[in-house]
Amino acid sequence: EAQVTQNPRYLITVTGKKLTVTCSQNMNHEYMSWYRQDPGLGLRQIYYSMNVEVTDKGDVPEGYKVSRKEKRNFPLILESPSPNQTSLYFCASTPGQGMRGQFFGPGTRLTVL
Amino acid sequence: TQLLEQSPQFLSIQEGENLTVYCNSSSVFSSLQWYRQEPGEGPVLLVTVVTGGEVKKLKRLTFQFGDARKDSSLHITAAQPGDTGLYLCAGVGGSNYKLTFGKGTLLTVNP
Repeated sequence: EAQVTQNPRYLITVTGKKLTVTCSQNMNHEYMSWYRQDPGLGLRQIYYSMNVEVTDKGDVPEGYKVSRKEKRNFPLILESPSPNQTSLYFCASTPGQGMRGQFFGPGTRLTVL
Repeated sequence: TQLLEQSPQFLSIQEGENLTVYCNSSSVFSSLQWYRQEPGEGPVLLVTVVTGGEVKKLKRLTFQFGDARKDSSLHITAAQPGDTGLYLCAGVGGSNYKLTFGKGTLLTVNP
């Protein structure tokens, strides 16, 4: 089944404790991205990657890191999480450059205490 | 910065009614996508429109892309409770094909 998977689905952590949210897609898509969704602010892009070893900042990259060593994986790293990073996170992938629409993962609900 | 304004923000209607959701911008987009999101899940792509003036139909849903490729609308005919959800529009633009989302329209269809 074609899908985007994220892990973990739910995470409660404390300020400053490094964490990684994994994202994997099995559709051989070139383009992958991370979003956060907050009430009243909608979906905002954190980082995106147009292909392996090519990543770039989205609208809200501060406090996040990403890597794209393999085509299928695009982990999101929070080196020192803070409470303002409490949010619902989505990974997405799309073939080519995104013109045809994105496939979203199921989301990761992160709470930073 | 490209912005997409969606209206209305909230919409509560009775089963069988028709409705239209609007997505407007001052920017030109290469393509415009509509998604539906249910609570606790990721957005699911409904349609992509690419050509100015394009109209696409998906059962009771009709999507239109403005002639100037700056705006779009979603019309639902005879809404059903199963149509309940958050509807998001998203535009692709810029040299990096950046996807910009509107804030969404939360639709509730009451039986």
